[in-house]
Amino acid sequence: EIVLTQFPESQSVTPKEKVTITCRASQSIGSSLHWYQQKPNQSPKLLIKYASQSISGVPSRFSGSGSGTDFTLTINSLEAEDAAAYYCHQSSSLPWTFGQGTKVEIK
Amino acid sequence: QVQLQESGPGLVKPSETLSLTCNVSGDSISNYYWTWIRQPPGKGLEWIGYIYSSGATNYNPALKSRITISMDLSKNQFFLKLSSVTAADTAVYYCARVDFYPIAAFDFWGHGTMVTVSS
Repeated sequence: EIVLTQFPESQSVTPKEKVTITCRASQSIGSSLHWYQQKPNQSPKLLIKYASQSISGVPSRFSGSGSGTDFTLTINSLEAEDAAAYYCHQSSSLPWTFGQGTKVEIK
Repeated sequence: QVQLQESGPGLVKPSETLSLTCNVSGDSISNYYWTWIRQPPGKGLEWIGYIYSSGATNYNPALKSRITISMDLSKNQFFLKLSSVTAADTAVYYCARVDFYPIAAFDFWGHGTMVTVSS
């Protein structure tokens, strides 16, 4: 089973700051890595797929990069509505797995 | 726009079987793969398994011996059965669509349904 480790586990950020979340895979997964945003009491929402592909309707301040074992989700110019938990997910091999999540709070 | 809605008992007794339904609207379930994911209170996400219209399934090995995922194409629904439940199975259960282009990602989710295992 591929283990995904996210860091940091949480961070408190001022609006308009840049946020970087890292996801590291226990073995190479190519670009088979996706990012989801989960706001409190809501279901997760797909933000980025295949490491860097944008999703229709997702603000352009969200971007993804990386391949192999190291991946990054970047939020440029954080807005108050971005307060949420962020999860990475790999679908390179079964069983599909998620990172443990990163909680982003607004200062 | 695809919409998914989970339904089922909110309370299940230990050792019994948890049964959930996911009703899909806005798309035919014969066109995609469909999946179940769960989230224990205050914790992260766990993939449970998926099903395709051919009936093909794949389950998380951690739960495989207790899971059955099935579907009813005529009703545009798919189902989850989890047997011999314990308190550790208490979670919000989500159903979602799997978009396999270019590789599997969960592009539409239901709102989730909370299931508590307790006597």
